[in-house]
Amino acid sequence: KNQVEQSPQSLIILEGKNCTLQCNYTVSPFSNLRWYKQDTGRGPVSLTIMTFSENTKSNGRYTATLDADTKQSSLHITASQLSDSASYICVVSGGLYTGANSKLTFGKGITLSVRP
Amino acid sequence: ETGVTQTPRHLVMGMTNKKSLKCEQHLGHNAMYWYKQSAKKPLELMFVYNFKEQTENNSVPSRFSPECPNSSHLFLHLHTLQPEDSALYLCASSQDWGSSYNEQFFGPGTRLTVL
Repeated sequence: KNQVEQSPQSLIILEGKNCTLQCNYTVSPFSNLRWYKQDTGRGPVSLTIMTFSENTKSNGRYTATLDADTKQSSLHITASQLSDSASYICVVSGGLYTGANSKLTFGKGITLSVRP
Repeated sequence: ETGVTQTPRHLVMGMTNKKSLKCEQHLGHNAMYWYKQSAKKPLELMFVYNFKEQTENNSVPSRFSPECPNSSHLFLHLHTLQPEDSALYLCASSQDWGSSYNEQFFGPGTRLTVL
């Protein structure tokens, strides 16, 4: 069964600190992995997408890593800001094409709170 | 903003009511989606429309009835709902349904409470 597990479930950090969010998956075959950020009261917004051959991808203070061998990804946030408080969702695609044979598998999300 | 709007943003309804959720995308996309987001659960895909045709229905109860009159608009008609249907309902769109590389753009959601 395709699954995406995210950890920790929630995290509280002080403004200015760094943090790392984890995503482990069992989706096979693997096509790509996205990290979404969902602010309270809003829909998710894509931060990064990574394919099988990519190990690292950055988007400003957000850096995603992917180890396709161990089926693990992480999202590292540098110099956190209050606006980083949100839910971070890991989504894995199990094939080249969406549809009945390769649905997107969503994680439950990680709730990050950045305190002043 | 993402280019996907949803109305209403909040809805409270009784179990015998009939209501509709509306979604509109201004991105020129061809695929539209309905998702259910419950607390501490992953997003659940409900329906997919591609070029106005329904391509996926993930065993959603018939009390949820989607309608897609054109590629820019998507509705979710609700009737005789149950309290466990209370959740955030998200609409999304993407360029098309065929490639998993296409980013889905989400609306802000409708927070539904069923009493």
